[in-house]
Amino acid sequence: QLQLQESGPGLVKSSETLSLTCIVSGGSISTTSYYWGWIRQPPGKGLEWVGDIYYSGNAYYNPSLKSRVTISADKAKNQLSLKLRSVTAADTAVYYCARLIAVSSIIDYWGQGTLVPVSS
Amino acid sequence: QLVLTQSPSVSASLGASVKLTCTLSSGHDTYAIAWHQQQPEKGPRYLMKLNSDGSHSKGDGIPDRFSGSSSGAERYLTISRLQSEDEADYYCQTWGSGMQVFGGGTKVTVL
Repeated sequence: QLQLQESGPGLVKSSETLSLTCIVSGGSISTTSYYWGWIRQPPGKGLEWVGDIYYSGNAYYNPSLKSRVTISADKAKNQLSLKLRSVTAADTAVYYCARLIAVSSIIDYWGQGTLVPVSS
Repeated sequence: QLVLTQSPSVSASLGASVKLTCTLSSGHDTYAIAWHQQQPEKGPRYLMKLNSDGSHSKGDGIPDRFSGSSSGAERYLTISRLQSEDEADYYCQTWGSGMQVFGGGTKVTVL
């Protein structure tokens, strides 16, 4: 059974960098059948795409976040990373990692998410 | 621009059926989507992939009470025999123009 587990600092100060890790178990991230993404959800609001990373290492980002975000993959550790720079209170959200089916770009597995509050 | 539109909320009685709608923006009526369920205080869960012809494939362990159908630019999720645990937010999702797109979500209340 595939499992995705997000982890992070719990609290980030405004203007600093948010760093999260997603550990993937029960499956390998080194596959062309799937790719991997990050989605966030501000408290009480809907889902917002952050970005995706493919087997090739190529990453694609939400244009509204592109200047501040970096997604990477560590194949040896079977984990993903998200870095969001210069955060503000508007970046306070639950951050989810997810697996997407390559041929359809459909999300078929979600992590449980981790809440990252940004303090001023 | 690819946009998914969902009604904000719907309510129905325990044991009844409810049909949720996700509408694709103009020019995108051949797109497949996915439906996801988010119960209170939990992360989303994948329910199914739904194609433009109405064919669908469900995720592991998804009950038969959940089904999908399509008509033109509209994608539907029908929940039959509503149970209390079906009270949740439901999101549609697809990909286009180089990015993931989510609908605004529909909150289902079980009366």
